[in-house]
Amino acid sequence: AQRVTQPEKLLSVFKGAPVELKCNYSYSGSPELFWYVQYSRQRLQLLLRHISRESIKGFTADLNKGETSFHLKKPFAQEEDSAMYYCALINCLKRGSQGNLIFGKGTKLSVKP
Amino acid sequence: EAGVTQSPTHLIKTRGQQVTLRCSPISGHTSVYWYQQALGLGLQFLLWYDEGEERNRGNFPPRFSGRQFPNYSSELNVNALELEDSALYLCASSRDRPGTEAFFGQGTRLTVV
Repeated sequence: AQRVTQPEKLLSVFKGAPVELKCNYSYSGSPELFWYVQYSRQRLQLLLRHISRESIKGFTADLNKGETSFHLKKPFAQEEDSAMYYCALINCLKRGSQGNLIFGKGTKLSVKP
Repeated sequence: EAGVTQSPTHLIKTRGQQVTLRCSPISGHTSVYWYQQALGLGLQFLLWYDEGEERNRGNFPPRFSGRQFPNYSSELNVNALELEDSALYLCASSRDRPGTEAFFGQGTRLTVV
């Protein structure tokens, strides 16, 4: 079954420290992966997707098919990065069509001053 | 541009009752997704509608159902409410195929007593 695992419920770092939010997936084909973020009292929103290969707010994520991982990284954390982060995978339905997003349980990032 | 809107924002129901939650997608979006966010369980996929058809459903009992109207708005119905149905119900919409960015509503907080 397709699955997304975020092993850390909570990650606490100091401002200026590097941060890495872990995400592992189980999927036999070519995955399409995303990171979504939810800031306090705001809606869940897209942060980045692996096919774009872009850096958003200083965050990057590299797909590692060998390790089936899509970890989110930022070299210098800022207090405004404190939020809930969800890794997500596009569900592959029968006959290879794409379906809904499958989410991990999320990691709460707390950046201390 | 108005975002995804959900109503009501909060709801308290008694066990055994039925509830209907509503979602209006962003204009031009044809796909609507429903997720349940229960405490500690992350976002669990419920239903996906596109062009008025149910395209996929998650691992939920048949008392969870819904529909999509010609204007692409959607309803989620839950019959015979149980205490464990207490959760935040999130609706998301996307332009067409999965893989495009999903935009989330603020959610409906359902409490079953």
